[in-house]
Amino acid sequence: EAQVTQNPRYLITVTGKKLTVTCSQNMNHEYMSWYRQDPGLGLRQIYYSMNVEVTDKGDVPEGYKVSRKEKRNFPLILESPSPNQTSLYFCASRPQEGSLHFGNGTRLTVT
Amino acid sequence: GENVEQHPSTLSVQEGDSAVIKCTYSDSASNYFPWYKQELGKRPQLIIDIRSNVGEKKDQRIAVTLNKTAKHFSLHITETQPEDSAVYFCAASFHYTGRRALTFGSGTRLQVQP
Repeated sequence: EAQVTQNPRYLITVTGKKLTVTCSQNMNHEYMSWYRQDPGLGLRQIYYSMNVEVTDKGDVPEGYKVSRKEKRNFPLILESPSPNQTSLYFCASRPQEGSLHFGNGTRLTVT
Repeated sequence: GENVEQHPSTLSVQEGDSAVIKCTYSDSASNYFPWYKQELGKRPQLIIDIRSNVGEKKDQRIAVTLNKTAKHFSLHITETQPEDSAVYFCAASFHYTGRRALTFGSGTRLQVQP
């Protein structure tokens, strides 16, 4: 089944404790992206990647890192999480010409 | 960069009525306009999209219209049903040198009353 898989689905952590949210897609898509969703603000892009070893900042990159060592994986790294990064995170991928496919989301709480 | 505004933020209709959600965009270079539906606790899923060379597109009970001159596009849902209740997001995108950045509106929560 074609899909974007994120893990974990839920994560509660404390300020400053490094964490990684994994994202994997099995559709051989070149483009992958991370969004955060907050009430009243819609979906805001954090980082995106056009292909392996190519990453770029989105609209809200501060406090986040990404890497794209393999085509299928695009992990999101929070080196020192803060409470304002409490949010619902979505990974997405798409082919060269096509629409976004979203993962099931990761609900992160930073206390 | 692109800015997408979406209205209304909430919309309540009676089952069987029509619902209309409107979006405006700022970048005249945008040429791709998808709509996503997000049910409670689930991921956004594409329901319909339109490209700038087309003025209207229909798929059963849903339709999207695009006015490039005014830089706005709308989602129309006819004969609404309770299962249409969800949050709907519009988005706008431009495609240049192989890159395409998708900017989302803030979402509309549609409630269909049975």
